[in-house]
Amino acid sequence: QSVLTQPPSVSAAPGQDVTISCSGSSSNIGNNYVSWYQQLPGTAPKLLIYDNHKRPSGIPDRFSGSKSGTSATLGITGLQTGDEADYYCGVWDGSLSAGLFGGGTKLTVL
Amino acid sequence: QVQLVQSGAEVKKPGASVKVSCKASGYIFSNYFMHWVRQAPGQGLEWMGILNPSGDSATYAEKFQGRVTMGRDTATSTVYMELSSLRSEDTAIYYCVRDLRHLDFWSGLEHWGQGTLVTVSS
Repeated sequence: QSVLTQPPSVSAAPGQDVTISCSGSSSNIGNNYVSWYQQLPGTAPKLLIYDNHKRPSGIPDRFSGSKSGTSATLGITGLQTGDEADYYCGVWDGSLSAGLFGGGTKLTVL
Repeated sequence: QVQLVQSGAEVKKPGASVKVSCKASGYIFSNYFMHWVRQAPGQGLEWMGILNPSGDSATYAEKFQGRVTMGRDTATSTVYMELSSLRSEDTAIYYCVRDLRHLDFWSGLEHWGQGTLVTVSS
């Protein structure tokens, strides 16, 4: 049971938009920056979003991040079959003095 | 470019220890925090701990305290993670990960090693 809660799965058709939520608490999301990671099958995770909404170089603007209170959201527009992957939110927890990941969300592009 | 190259796969018996190394290149080694993250087969990501840039201080997830040691060898730009008293539940891919911003922790886990599979089996 993760401290950060993500939906186990989401699905949408190619070209559509999707959002993935990540719910936490004041000790983690509420007071620290959230990052998001994409893990394609059989590969290491890749940083998609940092500081709640910033994209590293090379990440297309189809990917966006936002945060409100103790929840964060990853948005993906114009879904492509290559976006099928597991997505994780991550944040530092000041009370635990530990890094945390959500349980992960499997995105299926139908 | 930044590269993190990890040591090869390991097979260990229950109760044994394993040491995974991660050789860094392409950046100023002593300027960045390093994390270790693991992923059991078919499971999610699990944060294990963080090592400060100078290598003299580490913070471990409560779950691993007493069983894990993280350190670095500045001369060879290598970080390592040693896990003891292995059990079958420790079977996982172990990743070393460098933070995005220098001298900042959890700014974003930007650079990941290729992963090292550790199998614990009798």
